[in-house]
Amino acid sequence: GAGVSQSPSNKVTEKGKDVELRCDPISGHTALYWYRQRLGQGLEFLIYFQGNSAPDKSGLPSDRFSAERTGESVSTLTIQRTQQEDSAVYLCASSLMPAGGQDTQYFGPGTRLTVL
Amino acid sequence: KNEVEQSPQNLTAQEGEFITINCSYSVGISALHWLQQHPGGGIVSLFMLSSGKKKHGRLIATINIQEKHSSLHITASHPRDSAVYICAVRGTASKLTFGTGTRLQVTL
Repeated sequence: GAGVSQSPSNKVTEKGKDVELRCDPISGHTALYWYRQRLGQGLEFLIYFQGNSAPDKSGLPSDRFSAERTGESVSTLTIQRTQQEDSAVYLCASSLMPAGGQDTQYFGPGTRLTVL
Repeated sequence: KNEVEQSPQNLTAQEGEFITINCSYSVGISALHWLQQHPGGGIVSLFMLSSGKKKHGRLIATINIQEKHSSLHITASHPRDSAVYICAVRGTASKLTFGTGTRLQVTL
């Protein structure tokens, strides 16, 4: 596709359930980022992929959060045993150039996660 | 103190006014980004700069590395410019650190 896509666009789940969020980056983009935006707050970095390796996982808030990426394509962010504080918009972005390069990040529309 | 500070937090302007949004940061950076988040939530990258000045249409971004400060200017503002403008910096690592955003409302 022409841009970064994410699915689902909205997800409502019950506390304690696991959820999987998907990101399809722009074709050919080697770098992929996950961010979180809680209601009324700024963006927070979660994890960065270069290809299918994750050199920077420093933003993952707890071991309930994990992410993987297949090659230089789709990535999934998994949240296990969801808590109400996990409710947020989860944004994915991709960029063409590897780390250290001056690259523009292209953002997806986000997945709005609501944990009841 | 946040690593990235933006001011003002909220800004209301009348159509046609010249607008300035400021960003100060406290860490060494390799690049600074200005992003626009529309009311529907979509985020668009406006500028990425590491020195000097960039211009795109009615938008101008400047950065002063020595002073650790950047400004985003909007000339001849229009209601469609209403959005949240976010400053983000990248240090030696790959991740971005974000400011809390400036909410701009341009009225007729």
